[in-house]
Amino acid sequence: EAQVTQNPRYLITVTGKKLTVTCSQNMNHEYMSWYRQDPGLGLRQIYYSMNVEVTDKGDVPEGYKVSRKEKRNFPLILESPSPNQTSLYFCASTRRGGNQPQHFGDGTRLSIL
Amino acid sequence: RKEVEQDPGPFNVPEGATVAFNCTYSNSASQSFFWYRQDCRKEPKLLMSVYSSGNEDGRFTAQLNRASQYISLLIRDSKLSDSATYLCVVNESGATNKLIFGTGTLLAVQP
Repeated sequence: EAQVTQNPRYLITVTGKKLTVTCSQNMNHEYMSWYRQDPGLGLRQIYYSMNVEVTDKGDVPEGYKVSRKEKRNFPLILESPSPNQTSLYFCASTRRGGNQPQHFGDGTRLSIL
Repeated sequence: RKEVEQDPGPFNVPEGATVAFNCTYSNSASQSFFWYRQDCRKEPKLLMSVYSSGNEDGRFTAQLNRASQYISLLIRDSKLSDSATYLCVVNESGATNKLIFGTGTLLAVQP
């Protein structure tokens, strides 16, 4: 089954404790991205990757890191999480090309205390 | 001004009603357009792409007006299962697949 898998689905942690949210897709998609969704603000892109070893900042990259060592994986790293990073996070993937739909993971709800 | 603007709603409609959502976008160079559906606390899912000539998929009709930078979604014969948030989404550049999301319009279909 074609899918985007994120882990964990839920995480409550404390300020400053490094965490990684994993994302994996099995559709051989070139393009992957991370979004956060906050009430009243919609989905905002954090980082994206157009292919292996190619990553770039989205609209809200501060406090986040990513890597793309393999085509299928695109982890999101919070080196020193802060409460303002409490949010619902989605990973998405798509084939290259402007009219391609994005496939989203189930989401990760992060609470930083 | 937001890049993609939608009325947040909620739109409360009875079953069987016809409901229309509108969306405006600010970048006249935008390349492609979509409507996504998002159920509460779930991931967004593509509902339909929006083509310049307008397109229909069952009870759903999407329209694009490039001159006015305006996108619409019409839902006919609303079902309870249509209750969700509808996201207007614009791709500003075909080269980067970068999507700009509206904040969504909440639809509640009442029995």
